[in-house]
Amino acid sequence: GAVVSQHPSWVICKSGTSVKIECRSLDFQATTMFWYRQFPKQSLMLMATSNEGSKATYEQGVEKDKFLINHASLTLSTLTVTSAHPEDSSFYICSARDQEGAKNIQYFGAGTRLSVL
Amino acid sequence: AQKITQTQPGMFVQEKEAVTLDCTYDTSDPSYGLFWYKQPSSGEMIFLIYQGSYDQQNATEGRYSLNFQKARKSANLVISASQLGDSAMYFCAMREDFSGGYQKVTFGTGTKLQVIP
Repeated sequence: GAVVSQHPSWVICKSGTSVKIECRSLDFQATTMFWYRQFPKQSLMLMATSNEGSKATYEQGVEKDKFLINHASLTLSTLTVTSAHPEDSSFYICSARDQEGAKNIQYFGAGTRLSVL
Repeated sequence: AQKITQTQPGMFVQEKEAVTLDCTYDTSDPSYGLFWYKQPSSGEMIFLIYQGSYDQQNATEGRYSLNFQKARKSANLVISASQLGDSAMYFCAMREDFSGGYQKVTFGTGTKLQVIP
């Protein structure tokens, strides 16, 4: 299957700082990437859809000024958690959609565990 | 109404036995896709199998098969010859295709599978 790289895998930061998470599709081009948040023992919650060369589409209730998304190339999307607070601590996971064929399978990165002190 | 329903929070299976993980979905769109992902304790989401709404035959990928019953709106995952490494959370997901090329993927709440030696 296709490979999606997500970095960093773990980050601890102080309250008030910003954290950037990168998501790269390594062996395919992805015009669309997705950012999810997952709380312990829960399902994935879609935060936003990242579109190459245009603004991201945020789900209801997700603060776009808090979670900045940039999809500058066909293989890279970044999520920046600005002025992070302890309630932002969570597991963030990205996916990239492989549009080869009709399946449009989303391949996921390994996720980033964010802990805000 | 829930788009994707997984009614089994947890399942146990004996090693080398087969196990079925249930998934029902709800959509009025004729074009959609169904996916199963595996999430081990490490957190990564691993794509397992895909079934398109227009596919006539049930999808199979190695030890994984998808029992697609369109009229019942069910897409159960069957794992044959379970292995200890199959112990993980399993998520069913549905991709809906909307006009203008917009797609959205919704995940179920997951089933935790534990394989017993």
